[in-house]
Amino acid sequence: SQQGEEDPQALSIQEGENATMNCSYKTSINNLQWYRQNSGRGLVHLILIRSNEREKHSGRLRVTLDTSKKSSSLLITASRAADTASYFCATGGGNKLTFGTGTQLKVEL
Amino acid sequence: DTEVTQTPKHLVMGMTNKKSLKCEQHMGHRAMYWYKQKAKKPPELMFVYSYEKLSINESVPSRFSPECPNSSLLNLHLHALQPEDSALYLCASSQDSGGGGNQPQHFGDGTRLSIL
Repeated sequence: SQQGEEDPQALSIQEGENATMNCSYKTSINNLQWYRQNSGRGLVHLILIRSNEREKHSGRLRVTLDTSKKSSSLLITASRAADTASYFCATGGGNKLTFGTGTQLKVEL
Repeated sequence: DTEVTQTPKHLVMGMTNKKSLKCEQHMGHRAMYWYKQKAKKPPELMFVYSYEKLSINESVPSRFSPECPNSSLLNLHLHALQPEDSALYLCASSQDSGGGGNQPQHFGDGTRLSIL
């Protein structure tokens, strides 16, 4: 069963704009991860945030985690056409990951 | 380039065929995973191997049979599949599964399987 729900399901922006994706989940977690999947490719790990962390940065990516609201957001700043992909949150607990429904991001020139 | 290699990239098979999907990693990871992904859907976990032993089977039908010959290799044997089994099959690895949910997973590019 899917742990996380993401919104929006699809997002279309212009190059240079910021993109924000949200993930909500249902049960307690040890950590939350974000992955990117380009069309026809496997998933690429972007960032992991632990349950005791509130914010984490990696390059143009900023992830926040609010465990009281069971939600996380991924912000991509100054987007590029190469950021066009599907983005999935994944909640970690026990010995497996459970992926959210995903957001399809399209960055147009 | 991904550090997890999956072969073949594409596979078309009939419902009576037997075939195998292969996955290889040389990162020294001790946990390996099989996922199934349908179009525009998230990956769904099928199996987890930890230190070459099957630790999770997510109630996968027996027509899918995993095998882990050594710490670098993971196979998925297919037999008598159904059309609804057509999907992208992804292999992943992580340092160990202690937790598999607590570490980044490295994915291959998958095998796109079509069942006729």
